[in-house]
Amino acid sequence: AQTVTQSQPEMSVQEAETVTLSCTYDTSESDYYLFWYKQPPSRQMILVIRQEAYKQQNATENRFSVNFQKAAKSFSLKISDSQLGDAAMYFCALGGNQFYFGTGTSLTVIP
Amino acid sequence: EPEVTQTPSHQVTQMGQEVILRCVPISNHLYFYWYRQILGQKVEFLVSFYNNEISEKSEIFDDQFSVERPDGSNFTLKIRSTKLEDSAMYFCASIDGRVYEQYFGPGTRLTVT
Repeated sequence: AQTVTQSQPEMSVQEAETVTLSCTYDTSESDYYLFWYKQPPSRQMILVIRQEAYKQQNATENRFSVNFQKAAKSFSLKISDSQLGDAAMYFCALGGNQFYFGTGTSLTVIP
Repeated sequence: EPEVTQTPSHQVTQMGQEVILRCVPISNHLYFYWYRQILGQKVEFLVSFYNNEISEKSEIFDDQFSVERPDGSNFTLKIRSTKLEDSAMYFCASIDGRVYEQYFGPGTRLTVT
């Protein structure tokens, strides 16, 4: 069975500081992708970053980067220089034949 | 930038009624998906669709649900006889098959009373 676990229901960070959101997953597939999605109050799902499981290099998108530990099945998201606009719900997702989402982490950015 | 669109943005219906949620995926995309998100809960996969047929479906996607691509551009989700527990946000998504990256629509909020 494929599962995605986000153990931090809520996180907070001071503006301009760095925060790391945790995600672990389990899959029997050898070829899969991992994603972080941001969901602001509008409830639109916005792709933040994507990682192909076959790539060892961690993905980076501007202030967002991941720490992908394939053996440990861990996929954490680091947000650097946090901004007020980063406040949202963040979902980790595993994509293979189906997509599986974690329960989300609500991020608050403190001015 | 191309985007996935969904209509309506909000649908209110009475229990037992049929609803059709509509999605227009990005035009050159080949794979289409429906998800639902009950308020305050995680996003749940419902069904994926490729080459005019269902390729995967979850346990949630029972006989009350059906999907269709009636005209080559729209992708619809039908719920035959809505239940209170069908109240949720329904998201459509698509990918082009070359890059495994899902583009989500803005969602349809379904309220069953």
